[in-house]
Amino acid sequence: DQQVKQNSPSLSVQEGRISILNCDYTNSMFDYFLWYKKYPAEGPTFLISISSIKDKNEDGRFTVFLNKSAKHLSLHIVPSQPGDSAVYFCAARPSYSGAGSYQLTFGKGTKLSVIP
Amino acid sequence: DSGVTQTPKHLITATGQRVTLRCSPRSGDLSVYWYQQSLDQGLQFLIQYYNGEERAKGNILERFSAQQFPDLHSELNLSSLELGDSALYFCASSASTGLVSDTQYFGPGTRLTVL
Repeated sequence: DQQVKQNSPSLSVQEGRISILNCDYTNSMFDYFLWYKKYPAEGPTFLISISSIKDKNEDGRFTVFLNKSAKHLSLHIVPSQPGDSAVYFCAARPSYSGAGSYQLTFGKGTKLSVIP
Repeated sequence: DSGVTQTPKHLITATGQRVTLRCSPRSGDLSVYWYQQSLDQGLQFLIQYYNGEERAKGNILERFSAQQFPDLHSELNLSSLELGDSALYFCASSASTGLVSDTQYFGPGTRLTVL
């Protein structure tokens, strides 16, 4: 049972345009969400996060939107640059665990290709 | 550079063997997490250690075990290896201060190939 789903395995966007990566989740206990970017032969790099008390969080060219009622979040990259070409993973966790564990549940990733 | 180090970068071994993967967390981080990424899959949580104690277990096989040492580095031991254990193994660390914004930072991974 996949609790975090990224339904688009790949996405191609022209340089300068907006990239929109989507993520859906099913577990109602999830209320903290993160996006990671991964280049080949490297570990995932933290990009941006959002807590369920917000519906938007911005950091430079990256904005994450959260629609809690729809259990959906999206990552917007504007403008897209060739260096953004990577695999993007959505991850989620409860904001608090009684055992003090913050283990992440990941989607399978979306490969973004930004075409010059 | 996330500050999390993992060794070795690559490991090739045979079925039935045992290997040890090593992880050093970021300075000051008390939690270490281990994840497995198989081909075309997302990262699957295996196990978490916090300040030397096991804190949470995910989909970790009984053939796999881990520990965290007093200097906070961690080792993941994989034994009786099977072909299906071939994967990328990532270590992550976080401060685990109890803040909602606690973020995990990942190492570069160890690519394990079982022949």
